[in-house]
Amino acid sequence: GESVGLHLPTLSVQEGDNSIINCAYSNSASDYFIWYKQESGKGPQFIIDIRSNMDKRQGQRVTVLLNKTVKHLSLQIAATQPGDSAVYFCAELEVSGTYKYIFGTGTRLKVLA
Amino acid sequence: ETGVTQSPTHLIKTRGQQVTLRCSSQSGHNTVSWYQQALGQGPQFIFQYYREEENGRGNFPPRFSGLQFPNYSSELNVNALELDDSALYLCASSRYQETQYFGPGTRLLVL
Repeated sequence: GESVGLHLPTLSVQEGDNSIINCAYSNSASDYFIWYKQESGKGPQFIIDIRSNMDKRQGQRVTVLLNKTVKHLSLQIAATQPGDSAVYFCAELEVSGTYKYIFGTGTRLKVLA
Repeated sequence: ETGVTQSPTHLIKTRGQQVTLRCSSQSGHNTVSWYQQALGQGPQFIFQYYREEENGRGNFPPRFSGLQFPNYSSELNVNALELDDSALYLCASSRYQETQYFGPGTRLLVL
């Protein structure tokens, strides 16, 4: 079936540096993507979303880039802080009768002091 | 915080038992989706409820069932528990096809 996957299972970044988390998706018909952050013992927390009619979307310290040609999604975190340490998931919206999010396995971001 | 609440937070059951997990959706949301998250994995879609009807289902057997109530809260029921059912069960609420917001989850351990 269609799936969303992530290239790097663990990313270590020095505090203050920028982080880039990548995601590949396989369903070219998908038109909505979300990045979630999940801290230990908590549910996924919405960070930012993007629709397929956009290439880039910016939030507070975060930017999502979408490359539909190669079916690639990335999350950029500026000036990474210790509080950014978590597992990050990209999720692809599948609409086939109902709608559901298909999640990848996640990337763990470790912020080094 | 999202306003989505789940109960209980933790639960221990034995194989063959039945369990009911509960979710209260965020105010203004009419759709509830349930996910299973095994350790080290991303959430896997179980099913979704909209207007008290099941509105889609993932690859889970019939022993996973649910309900949605008029106030949009929801229950997930799992019968004949198996060891592999041990996971974090997440509830997400939304206004139908809009962004889903997750609760903190219920951690289920089956012994």
